[in-house]
Amino acid sequence: GENVEQHPSTLSVQEGDSAVIKCTYSDSASNYFPWYKQELGKRPQLIIDIRSNVGEKKDQRIAVTLNKTAKHFSLHITETQPEDSAVYFCAARGFKDTGRRALTFGSGTRLQVQP
Amino acid sequence: EAEVAQSPRYKITEKSQAVAFWCDPISGHATLYWYRQILGQGPELLVQFQDESVVDDSQLPKDRFSAERLKGVDSTLKIQPAELGDSAMYLCASSWGQGTNTEAFFGQGTRLTVV
Repeated sequence: GENVEQHPSTLSVQEGDSAVIKCTYSDSASNYFPWYKQELGKRPQLIIDIRSNVGEKKDQRIAVTLNKTAKHFSLHITETQPEDSAVYFCAARGFKDTGRRALTFGSGTRLQVQP
Repeated sequence: EAEVAQSPRYKITEKSQAVAFWCDPISGHATLYWYRQILGQGPELLVQFQDESVVDDSQLPKDRFSAERLKGVDSTLKIQPAELGDSAMYLCASSWGQGTNTEAFFGQGTRLTVV
């Protein structure tokens, strides 16, 4: 089955700086890679996703890059703001041992933006 | 905006007692997932439904956990008997399908504390 590793576990940046979170995955058949933001006590919310036929996707201050050869993908947040502070999870949709596709999540990165 | 509904939001139960969680997915979503999120970790899939059928319950501790989605709409996850190690956030998510690369929407979750 799929295994997703995420780094770093915590990240502290100054307001206005950029933040980068990296994930690696194990299943070369994985074809969908979403990123979720989870604020304290709230539900995970999708902020951006990328499919395996695309190398990069951008949405305002957020971008995601995918390297299928190396099996890693990254989240880039530019011009960080205090409201970006949250836990961010990457995920990969690969095959479980059942033969079914499902999302496997990374362990999360706690991002703190210092004003 | 349509949301995944979960209840209760919080549940405290004594070990060895039975506990149940309810989830109502976004209307029209055929795929429903139950995830468990231990504090400081990413969500882990417990069970996946396609309509009323279980398509993946490989990570569900079947000696104490059960899940059903009788009419292919709302779902119930039950734990009997609860153990201290079951304390976690239980998240329900839904999506249009499972085979396509579709976004999974999460509910607010039920935070379970077993004492």
